[in-house]
Amino acid sequence: QKEVEQDPGPLSVPEGAIVSLNCTYSNSAFQYFMWYRQYSRKGPELLMYTYSSGNKEDGRFTAQVDKSSKYISLFIRDSQPSDSATYLCAMNGGATNKLIFGTGTLLAVQP
Amino acid sequence: SAVISQKPSRDICQRGTSLTIQCQVDSQVTMMFWYRQQPGQSLTLIATANQGSEATYESGFVIDKFPISRPNLTFSTLTVSNMSPEDSSIYLCSVGGAYEQYFGPGTRLTVT
Repeated sequence: QKEVEQDPGPLSVPEGAIVSLNCTYSNSAFQYFMWYRQYSRKGPELLMYTYSSGNKEDGRFTAQVDKSSKYISLFIRDSQPSDSATYLCAMNGGATNKLIFGTGTLLAVQP
Repeated sequence: SAVISQKPSRDICQRGTSLTIQCQVDSQVTMMFWYRQQPGQSLTLIATANQGSEATYESGFVIDKFPISRPNLTFSTLTVSNMSPEDSSIYLCSVGGAYEQYFGPGTRLTVT
């Protein structure tokens, strides 16, 4: 069983839709939870990170962490064609700097 | 956030040869990380490179196959040695810590 599971998609939505991206994990030691966006042929770009459980909002993006369920989500409101990319979740226990990544979800926002 | 560049951006190599990938950061950093991103698989940490010491390799990765240099606080190289088609992948360097890591654009390697 992988430490982090992520639905690979692809996920196709119309412009303006609310997008929900999710990851589950098995290691209860994870404390830091990150979301990266990766455009085609580019490196991953850090969108936001959350420590422990709770919500964090940044513009159209909201990250949620439910440690009791070992489940994290990224919501994108009013999605735009420029949001079309692969979204990667990543996690870390805090004792080292090693990030554990999901496989990524490919999102396409149709104009 | 740091600005990271990598060279080459892509390469096609023959099996049995070696390729050295360079990573340059615009500021001094203590740790640099090398990751591999294979098609359909998650980003996987190869090793952590600290300036002035030997790199620390993750399980499944060995120094003979992936030697790393870290001559100063802004530069590192990763060599992929004795390549086989299974080494075809994107190789990325990153800098940062436990919850904020910033990645370079990657080197896309194809081994024929």
